[in-house]
Amino acid sequence: DAKTTQPPSMDCAEGRAANLPCNHSTISGNEYVYWYRQIHSQGPQYIIHGLKNNETNEMASLIITEDRKSSTLILPHATLRDTAVYYCIVRGRNSGGSYIPTFGRGTSLIVHP
Amino acid sequence: DGGITQSPKYLFRKEGQNVTLSCEQNLNHDAMYWYRQDPGQGLRLIYYSQIVNDFQKGDIAEGYSVSREKKESFPLTVTSAQKNPTAFYLCASSIVISGANVLTFGAGSRLTVL
Repeated sequence: DAKTTQPPSMDCAEGRAANLPCNHSTISGNEYVYWYRQIHSQGPQYIIHGLKNNETNEMASLIITEDRKSSTLILPHATLRDTAVYYCIVRGRNSGGSYIPTFGRGTSLIVHP
Repeated sequence: DGGITQSPKYLFRKEGQNVTLSCEQNLNHDAMYWYRQDPGQGLRLIYYSQIVNDFQKGDIAEGYSVSREKKESFPLTVTSAQKNPTAFYLCASSIVISGANVLTFGAGSRLTVL
């Protein structure tokens, strides 16, 4: 269902930008790209979503390629508290026209001092 | 503050016992979900409900049961039929924003079967 590919792990220096890639080559035209993160032993937290245009909020930026086959989540100034597993979700179970997210294993981001 | 409350946070159970995990939300969301997470794994969908008095099986519903009698509440019962119930259980609710289905999660309940 969730046909996304993410690297299993990445690391980043504190204060630098963290760029987390996601491939979703089978995405269809009306499917959103969602990003969530999960800090150890907590519930996942919604970060951002987008359809075609790049998006930015107080947490992160989402860059979606023009062909929509891949995207990058950018944490502009990573802090130690950004250490978490990051999930890129494109497709899940279709129920009455609403997609229910299916979570893969995500990318484990470690931010080091 | 609006949010989702799961209780208990930690629960220990003997084999053969049923246990019910509570999930309450005050976000006025229509849809609610239960996921299970095992160590080092992603989340797997157990049950979901898109409206009161209606719910659907997810990918791993065997050994679990739910009810949705109120919009705010979606309790999950882990029955003795669940072969390997030790896991981290996550409840979520969602709202559709401009066509996108965005989930809000609770803090989770960790169940250990002794």
